[in-house]
Amino acid sequence: ETGVTQSPTHLIKTRGQQVTLRCSSQSGHNTVSWYQQALGQGPQFIFQYYREEENGRGNFPPRFSGLQFPNYSSELNVNALELDDSALYLCASSQDRGGVYEQYFGPGTRLTVT
Amino acid sequence: AQSVTQLDSHVSVSEGTPVLLRCNYSSSYSPSLFWYVQHPNKGLQLLLKYTSAATLVKGINGFEAEFKKSETSFHLTKPSAHMSDAAEYFCVVTASDTGRRALTFGSGTRLQVQP
Repeated sequence: ETGVTQSPTHLIKTRGQQVTLRCSSQSGHNTVSWYQQALGQGPQFIFQYYREEENGRGNFPPRFSGLQFPNYSSELNVNALELDDSALYLCASSQDRGGVYEQYFGPGTRLTVT
Repeated sequence: AQSVTQLDSHVSVSEGTPVLLRCNYSSSYSPSLFWYVQHPNKGLQLLLKYTSAATLVKGINGFEAEFKKSETSFHLTKPSAHMSDAAEYFCVVTASDTGRRALTFGSGTRLQVQP
């Protein structure tokens, strides 16, 4: 069974640029969630996708957007990058059966905005 | 609405002594609670979960946690610390209200284990 994978591992961008981060779900999982973890803090929920539809969103502006594909992989896109967007971005997958379920995390993408 | 408070930002113990990491939660609905661990430069690993079954939950690596509704607490314990337990620990709550099942993380507790 393959776990959650993310790419790239590290990324450096300039303020104002756009970035796309990628996530492959664990086999058999149909739900993907994205989190932002700033240095020294706990992860913050960005949004969740279930069967290619956004299924909830945290307090993040619209320049944070996402996609989920038919194979349940996912992308996180961030436009007009700001210095405060520098963080570890974590993807988590889960199998939604209508009840509460645990989420399994990938290793993350470290984004640095200069 | 839901929230988590981890009462200690840093905990230091000696190897072989008990570990206690404290967590209080707030939730408008019946919560599910988790503990995750994050080793340096690694992703988050699930230690254990509570989902309204037994209130004493056993997890991996000898960790366990007890759900106490009257105290709104979900403290993590381990009888004997090992050097490899040194990491950041996050208490997490989720509650299904509108169908969104986002995880809400605490701010984390850094566990140091002294030889």
